[in-house]
Amino acid sequence: QQPVQSPQAVILREGEDAVINCSSSKALYSVHWYRQKHGEAPVFLMILLKGGEQKGHEKISASFNEKKQQSSLYLTASQLSYSGTYFCGTERGQRGGSQGNLIFGKGTKLSVKP
Amino acid sequence: SQTIHQWPATLVQPVGSPLSLECTVEGTSNPNLYWYRQAAGRGLQLLFYSVGIGQISSEVPQNLSASRPQDRQFILSSKKLLLSDSGFYLCAWSEGQRSYNSPLHFGNGTRLTVT
Repeated sequence: QQPVQSPQAVILREGEDAVINCSSSKALYSVHWYRQKHGEAPVFLMILLKGGEQKGHEKISASFNEKKQQSSLYLTASQLSYSGTYFCGTERGQRGGSQGNLIFGKGTKLSVKP
Repeated sequence: SQTIHQWPATLVQPVGSPLSLECTVEGTSNPNLYWYRQAAGRGLQLLFYSVGIGQISSEVPQNLSASRPQDRQFILSSKKLLLSDSGFYLCAWSEGQRSYNSPLHFGNGTRLTVT
């Protein structure tokens, strides 16, 4: 089951905040977040492995609510370099029973304007 | 450090022609290897994954195939391309052990246009 991301697209001014959500109809064991700039390969941002876990790097952070089967990515004080498409990937199957193969959402296109 | 190489970067092929895309990983052993496809404006679709030499799992039925002749080499092939095979093909690797907590590392991709 493909996770559902929302919103599909968002336009920000530099310095504004954004939240991108990723939800699944199946139990989540881990959530990955990646950013892809136009014409380039996706780049890993972070993995969340436990329910309630939160991680952050500079002004980009994420949370994982295992009970709600969802994760959110928070972009604070956005910069022009944050522009791109953000994908969440969720682990399928039983923890440790799959190959760790990810199913990705359709992505959220983030555009940061000066 | 680990690196992943994927080639060619772009490819234009006529319908019905064969396809071979190659991916190699350096600096790691026994990686899990993956082929993803990204159609224009769409998400990442897993095509094949491999946990070892000669071990290939297919995620979607299609006219593509994959092979892993060496530990760090992954090849995507087709005998006859279809128009619907156009897209951005990405090779990726992750650590072979405990892969559920290992990030995917993507190659730079191959943009395939079937005409």
